[in-house]
Amino acid sequence: GENVEQHPSTLSVQEGDSAVIKCTYSDSASNYFPWYKQELGKGPQLIIDIRSNVGEKKDQRIAVTLNKTAKHFSLHITETQPEDSAVYFCALEGGTASKLTFGTGTRLQVTL
Amino acid sequence: DVKVTQSSRYLVKRTGEKVFLECVQDMDHENMFWYRQDPGLGLRLIYFSYDVKMKEKGDIPEGYSVSREKKERFSLILESASTNQTSMYLCASSPSQGNYGYTFGSGTRLTVV
Repeated sequence: GENVEQHPSTLSVQEGDSAVIKCTYSDSASNYFPWYKQELGKGPQLIIDIRSNVGEKKDQRIAVTLNKTAKHFSLHITETQPEDSAVYFCALEGGTASKLTFGTGTRLQVTL
Repeated sequence: DVKVTQSSRYLVKRTGEKVFLECVQDMDHENMFWYRQDPGLGLRLIYFSYDVKMKEKGDIPEGYSVSREKKERFSLILESASTNQTSMYLCASSPSQGNYGYTFGSGTRLTVV
């Protein structure tokens, strides 16, 4: 199946700094790239997504960029806050419609 | 508020037991999925379903089966539980049209002893 590599696996930033998580993939047919946030004891929740016809999408402090030529997409969180601490997963839709393949996750810790 | 509900948050079962994990969604979604989540491995797809009575294998179906008798309910079955099936199990659903992403349940942490 489709392979998604996600880096880093852990990330610690100080409150107010920016955090960047990057994912790379191999299937050029992928055209939908969502990001999920999983807080402790909860299921993953969709926070932002991007489709292959745009290069960047922003929602307040969160942005996602997509480079289809290089086959990578990234999550950017600016002005981080303690409540941003969570595990973040990238994903992409490839092959069978609506089936998502997930990255291995990034544990983000925002320290005071 | 739309929901995906997993019947149990925590389960402890013995090796060899038959285990049922239940998932119900109230969004009239066509697609439903079962993933397992393990540290360092992310979310791996076990089985999915695009319609009632329809099922397809995901990336790691061995040791599992599923049932979808009604549109809103998708059950994961461990025919004979083993210790390597100790994991967090996540159910998700999505609509069939467009790329709207998944809605996940809160997960069931299964321990097989």
